[in-house]
Amino acid sequence: QKEVEQDPGPLSVPEGAIVSLNCTYSNSAFQYFMWYRQYSRKGPELLMYTYSSGNKEDGRFTAQVDKSSKYISLFIRDSQPSDSATYLCAMIGGGATNKLIFGTGTLLAVQP
Amino acid sequence: NAGVTQTPKFQVLKTGQSMTLQCAQDMNHNSMYWYRQDPGMGLRLIYYSASEGTTDKGEVPNGYNVSRLNKREFSLRLESAAPSQTSVYFCASSGQQNSPLHFGNGTRLTVT
Repeated sequence: QKEVEQDPGPLSVPEGAIVSLNCTYSNSAFQYFMWYRQYSRKGPELLMYTYSSGNKEDGRFTAQVDKSSKYISLFIRDSQPSDSATYLCAMIGGGATNKLIFGTGTLLAVQP
Repeated sequence: NAGVTQTPKFQVLKTGQSMTLQCAQDMNHNSMYWYRQDPGMGLRLIYYSASEGTTDKGEVPNGYNVSRLNKREFSLRLESAAPSQTSVYFCASSGQQNSPLHFGNGTRLTVT
């Protein structure tokens, strides 16, 4: 079993829809949770960074962490064609070495 | 403000050839990383350097070597390339412990 599971998609939605992207994980030691966005032929760029359980909002993006269920989500409101990309969840155990564990990514396509 | 810069952007090698992938960061980060990204496998850590003068193996180190030349530069060497090393290679850096990683735009390597 992988430490982090993420549905690869592809996920296709119409412009303006609310998008929900999710990851589950097995290691209860994870404390820091991230979402990265990766456009085609580019490197991943950080979207959201959260610590422990709870919600964090940044513009149209909301990250949610439920440590009791080992489940994290990224919500995108009013989705735009420019949101079309692969979204990767990532998490760190909080140990001495800063090694992220990544999900495999979900490919999102927002149709105009 | 360049961030993380990787060279070359593309490379084609024949089996058995060697090459070095270069990475430099201008954010004064202590830690640097090399990942490979393959379809369906996500990002996998090859090697990392927690600080200048130290390097450690990641999840998939076989067939690779690294050098942390100074605080800014971290290179990845393939001594004898194999078709299984066809991949997209990303370099990343981070500052404090548990802080997010910042990625370069990758090197696309094909080994024939």
